[in-house]
Amino acid sequence: DAGITQSPRHKVTETGTPVTLRCHQTENHRYMYWYRQDPGHGLRLIHYSYGVKDTDKGEVSDGYSVSRSKTEDFLLTLESATSSQTSVYFCAISESWVSSTDTQYFGPGTRLTVL
Amino acid sequence: DQQVKQNSPSLSVQEGRISILNCDYTNSMFDYFLWYKKYPAEGPTFLISISSIKDKNEDGRFTVFLNKSAKHLSLHIVPSQPGDSAVYFCAASEVWGNTPLVFGKGTRLSVIA
Repeated sequence: DAGITQSPRHKVTETGTPVTLRCHQTENHRYMYWYRQDPGHGLRLIHYSYGVKDTDKGEVSDGYSVSRSKTEDFLLTLESATSSQTSVYFCAISESWVSSTDTQYFGPGTRLTVL
Repeated sequence: DQQVKQNSPSLSVQEGRISILNCDYTNSMFDYFLWYKKYPAEGPTFLISISSIKDKNEDGRFTVFLNKSAKHLSLHIVPSQPGDSAVYFCAASEVWGNTPLVFGKGTRLSVIA
């Protein structure tokens, strides 16, 4: 199994509070991704990173920011959480951009509930 | 606009029979396709992939078929086992493009013993 951990694994918070989710990898992979999974929507990309301090927006980036100050850590921040951000969040890593010789490996997920 | 579509939210199959999961895509620039499997409370895991230069790829009980003209791919599982019960996501990408993987909404497969 790829060495990916996410913390916390579960979190309940209130509307308007800031929340930071952490993804940590031990694989030294260049690319890191944050997805959210919601019923009826599948997996949707929030943000991704292609190197330290290099990030870009995904399909559903509004209300989220990310930071990557070290290769191994990718942080997802909800500046002011809303109930629509209640979801399961997955981090993923890959050694290269999508190719026929590589794929993305996913972490175990963080279940976030915003009341 | 959904570029990768899995139109069947769920599928039930008897143990030992064939499971066929379908996926359609709209972006003709997609040239690499993957299937991921997800168990409850776990992250998705890579299952099998196919490049657009092929029309079939096999890995044990799993076979993916690609029909480029119809923009359709399918995952066949033969024989189906209870441990195959999971959500299956289809994903697609442009290998030489600048876009990340695009996932479908998933199909929940239940294999009944």
